[in-house]
Amino acid sequence: QVQLVQSGAEVKKPGASVKVSCKVSGYTLTKLSMHWVRQAPGIGLEWMGGFDPEDGEEIYAQKFQDRVTMTKDTSTDTVYMELSSLRSEDTAVYYCATGAQPFDYWGQGTLVTVSS
Amino acid sequence: EIVLTQSPATLSLSPGERATLSCRASQSVSIYLAWYQQKPGQSPRLLIYDASNRATGIPARFSGSGSGTDFTLTISSLEPEDFAVYYCQQRYNWPLTFGGGTKVEIK
Repeated sequence: QVQLVQSGAEVKKPGASVKVSCKVSGYTLTKLSMHWVRQAPGIGLEWMGGFDPEDGEEIYAQKFQDRVTMTKDTSTDTVYMELSSLRSEDTAVYYCATGAQPFDYWGQGTLVTVSS
Repeated sequence: EIVLTQSPATLSLSPGERATLSCRASQSVSIYLAWYQQKPGQSPRLLIYDASNRATGIPARFSGSGSGTDFTLTISSLEPEDFAVYYCQQRYNWPLTFGGGTKVEIK
């Protein structure tokens, strides 16, 4: 059974960057296609990007193309999502997710608050 | 980008009633549509994948149908734990997209 455990809540100032981690257990990271989805307060789900299961390359939603970087460390089975140039609209819960469908498994979510 | 439109936005029903949720895609997604349930303070949970396949552990009262651009999630008889927000999501092409959600609330 795949389990995803994310890092804790963050508070950042506008213009700063945030890096959220997601540790995978119960399966080998190299065999998983990992994604990041966010949810602003009271709003729906928004896919930010992930790793293409065909070639392992990162694919980002156009909206975040210039500000997001997703990386993975196979030695620790951990994936990271870094979002830069934060603004108040980036206040949201950020989820890592994986699976074949492709979101069979979800992390518990990480609240990122952007406030001056 | 494929836009998914869910209707209605809110569905007010009583326990034991049948719930029918709709998801319409702006272009064909074949059968590559999934449904998720989300309760307050929780992560989403996969219910249905590839339009009509129940995920592991999902009760038989949940069923999905459709192909192309029109899809339906049906809950045959609502249990108290089914009152939640439901999202559809397509994996036909990039970017992956979600619908805006349907809230099923107690009448």
